[in-house]
Amino acid sequence: AQSVTQLGSHVSVSEGALVLLRCNYSSSVPPYLFWYVQYPNQGLQLLLKYTSAATLVKGINGFEAEFKKSETSFHLTKPSAHMSDAAEYFCAVSWLYSSASKIIFGSGTRLSIRP
Amino acid sequence: NAGVTQTPKFQVLKTGQSMTLQCAQDMNHNSMYWYRQDPGMGLRLIYYSASEGTTDKGEVPNGYNVSRLNKREFSLRLESAAPSQTSVYFCASMGSYEQYFGPGTRLTVT
Repeated sequence: AQSVTQLGSHVSVSEGALVLLRCNYSSSVPPYLFWYVQYPNQGLQLLLKYTSAATLVKGINGFEAEFKKSETSFHLTKPSAHMSDAAEYFCAVSWLYSSASKIIFGSGTRLSIRP
Repeated sequence: NAGVTQTPKFQVLKTGQSMTLQCAQDMNHNSMYWYRQDPGMGLRLIYYSASEGTTDKGEVPNGYNVSRLNKREFSLRLESAAPSQTSVYFCASMGSYEQYFGPGTRLTVT
């Protein structure tokens, strides 16, 4: 069965430090992988997606993620954190099921930025 | 384009009351979804609709019904609300394997 695991429900980094949010997936078929961001009291917004093209995916706001099939991982990184990056981040996996794609979300990681 | 819109934004219900959450998208997407979001549990799929006229259960369908009224609109109905249904509800539509989310409805059942 497909599943997504996000390691760490809360991550805190200093402004200017590296951001690393971890995501591992389980899928019996080649997956599509996503990272979404949710700011307080808002819906989810797509940061980036992997759909079997380049394994290093660049997204908005300076984020990127690398698909590693051997490790079944899709970790999200940003070289230098900014205060505006404080939000909740969700990793998600998708596959084609029947006539509609379904997406399973991880439980989320709340990112805090220290001044 | 408005994207995905949801109404209402907030709602308080008493146990046993019923209500319908409305969702509409203007992106001509075939697939639409209803999720609930609870602290520490991410988003859980309630129902989805692959196309107009079809609906399927997701992970947590009990206590809910849905209607895909047309290609644009997908509503979620709570027939007899329970405190366990207190949550934030998100509607989404999908195009090119990317989901687009509405702003959410915050529902409290007392």
